Amino acid sequence: QAVLTQPSSLSASPGASASLTCTLRSGINIGTYRIYWYQQKPGSPPQYLLRYKSDSDKQQGSGVPSRFSGSKDASANAGILLISGLQSEDEADYYCMIWHSSAWVFGGGTKLTVL
Amino acid sequence: EVQLVESGGGLIQPGGSLRLSCAASGFTVSDNHISWVRQAPGKGLEWVSVIYRGGTTYYADSVKGRFTISRDNSKNTLYLQMNSLRAEDTAVYYCAKESDYVLDYWGQGTLVTVSS
Repeated sequence: QAVLTQPSSLSASPGASASLTCTLRSGINIGTYRIYWYQQKPGSPPQYLLRYKSDSDKQQGSGVPSRFSGSKDASANAGILLISGLQSEDEADYYCMIWHSSAWVFGGGTKLTVL
Repeated sequence: EVQLVESGGGLIQPGGSLRLSCAASGFTVSDNHISWVRQAPGKGLEWVSVIYRGGTTYYADSVKGRFTISRDNSKNTLYLQMNSLRAEDTAVYYCAKESDYVLDYWGQGTLVTVSS
């Protein structure tokens, strides 16, 4: 079982909100981890969006709009990237990441379609 | 301005070796943690290796024993020596600088294709 699991795809309408999940493998407690989120558009390297551990330990990437926000669902052992007021330019691949066992670990990515 | 420019990719036969370079500007390589991350065609991101400013290195299990990360402080450049290459190593390889535990700056990547 992968350390981080993300749904492969998600669709949402312009102006709506999209909630992207990143589920940690059973036995890995999300409470101790910072969850990092990256956005990647075709042909470009990933861009850092934000990281979230708690409301007192979070960071927004430089220039990243506030409509991108992070949270956790402890009951689901999952990190969440919420994108509100979806715009066509938000269509991209989104990756979560953690530092685990002396390695950066990425989720498989979610392809967000805005239509 | 922080910039990372990868080079050294290309077509290589299985079992061969290749050395990737990551030329940095706008910051000092030896003062930062820097990682290599790869992405197979049409696939997701996979972290490969990191070198800390103190020189400590870590590797993904998939490349341990085959890849070596290093740096040349005089050239402000990071390297990834890749030996015993396999088809599954085919990917775009990015170098990424770490600040405050964030991979905040990435290069544009260099493509490595392992094929006979």
